[in-house]
Amino acid sequence: RKEVEQDPGPFNVPEGATVAFNCTYSNSASQSFFWYRQDCRKEPKLLMSVYSSGNEDGRFTAQLNRASQYISLLIRDSKLSDSATYLCAVSGPYNFNKFYFGSGTKLNVKP
Amino acid sequence: DAGITQSPRHKVTETGTPVTLRCHQTENHRYMYWYRQDPGHGLRLIHYSYGVKDTDKGEVSDGYSVSRSKTEDFLLTLESATSSQTSVYFCAIRADNQPQHFGDGTRLSIL
Repeated sequence: RKEVEQDPGPFNVPEGATVAFNCTYSNSASQSFFWYRQDCRKEPKLLMSVYSSGNEDGRFTAQLNRASQYISLLIRDSKLSDSATYLCAVSGPYNFNKFYFGSGTKLNVKP
Repeated sequence: DAGITQSPRHKVTETGTPVTLRCHQTENHRYMYWYRQDPGHGLRLIHYSYGVKDTDKGEVSDGYSVSRSKTEDFLLTLESATSSQTSVYFCAIRADNQPQHFGDGTRLSIL
C-alpha cells in the first residue's frame, strides 16, 4: 500500500468554480502535511502547509482530518492560472525528516 | 526562489557510465534531499542528508550513492547508469521544522 494516495484526475472545472482534492495517508503517526503545486515540466512549489485546525490562504483552504487520515485542499473561484498538478506531502511516521508525496491531482480550469 | 541550483539541467548518457548530479544551496539549510519523479509514481525519495557527512536512504536508493562534504553541496551519483534511471531528478532543501523547497530539476536520459 502506498504511503500517500491521490486521485490523479484530471479535474476539469470552469472558471469561477470551487474544487476540492483529497489526499489520504497510511500512517496515523505522520505529523507534517503540505500541499505543493507543480506546473508542467517545472519543480514543485510550496502552496501551503496544513495545520491541525485548518488554514486558509486567499482562495485556498487546507484541512486535516486525522481520524480518517486525509488532508484536503479547497480552491474557490478557480482561475485559469490554477491549472496545474497538486501534490500532497506527508512526513514519515517514524522519521519526521522524511517525506512521502502523492502522485498528484491534475486540475484543468477551462474558460 | 530558494537558493538552490541543480547541475546539469539536462544530461544524456549511455548505459554503464557513471553520472554525478550536483545540488548547491546558498541558504545554509541543514536538510537536503534527492528525489526522482516518474509518470505514475510521483516524487520518490532516493537519499537525504541531515548534516555534513550524515545521510540516510530513501524509498528507492538502490543504484544511487550520495555525498555531502560541505553544507552547501549534496551530490547524487549513479555508479553505473541503467535505462531504468532515466528520470527527472529534483533536489530539495529544508530548514528545521520548515517545508521543503525544490530546485529546478535535472532531466537525465540514459540510452
